[in-house]
Amino acid sequence: GQQLNQSPQSMFIQEGEDVSMNCTSSSIFNTWLWYKQDPGEGPVLLIALYKAGELTSNGRLTAQFGITRKDSFLNISASIPSDVGIYFCAGHSGSNYKLTFGKGTLLTVNP
Amino acid sequence: DGGITQSPKYLFRKEGQNVTLSCEQNLNHDAMYWYRQDPGQGLRLIYYSQIVNDFQKGDIAEGYSVSREKKESFPLTVTSAQKNPTAFYLCASQTGSGNTIYFGEGSWLTVV
Repeated sequence: GQQLNQSPQSMFIQEGEDVSMNCTSSSIFNTWLWYKQDPGEGPVLLIALYKAGELTSNGRLTAQFGITRKDSFLNISASIPSDVGIYFCAGHSGSNYKLTFGKGTLLTVNP
Repeated sequence: DGGITQSPKYLFRKEGQNVTLSCEQNLNHDAMYWYRQDPGQGLRLIYYSQIVNDFQKGDIAEGYSVSREKKESFPLTVTSAQKNPTAFYLCASQTGSGNTIYFGEGSWLTVV
């Protein structure tokens, strides 16, 4: 199946630092979604993006739908220990019923 | 509470046995999905269903089967044909084409 390239694979940061992660695709996506997954739990939706160029914030989180429709980034400002987890990007391309996922970014925050 | 309920949370299976994972949603969503997640990996689509009595294979459907007899229910059977079934299984649902997908809390399946 189709793959998204998500980077970095992992990040280890100090509390209070800002974080940035991104996803790229070789094909155009119609929707970009960002999820967070805690260990042993299902992914929880953080931000949904539906239009090229769209910039959306959710508290300390900001995500953008790339203008080329082939990329998206997620920023977390002033990280805190509870930000620890795996962050996944996902998107719809072509069929809107099949969501393609990146392999995730493991974020560790050192208090 | 509204949401997606998966059960059981933990399941152990002997080799050669079939097991069924339950997924129920009360969100009135049309589409439902099953994903598999292996440790340190992303999510891979097993099966999905856009409407009742209809479903399509995802990227890794071999060794799995599903049914969609009711809108709110989408059970997944892991058959003995699945050679490496130990994984974390996630059920999800979606309101319609292009809308966001919401996940259940997952089920751990271990083959013993």
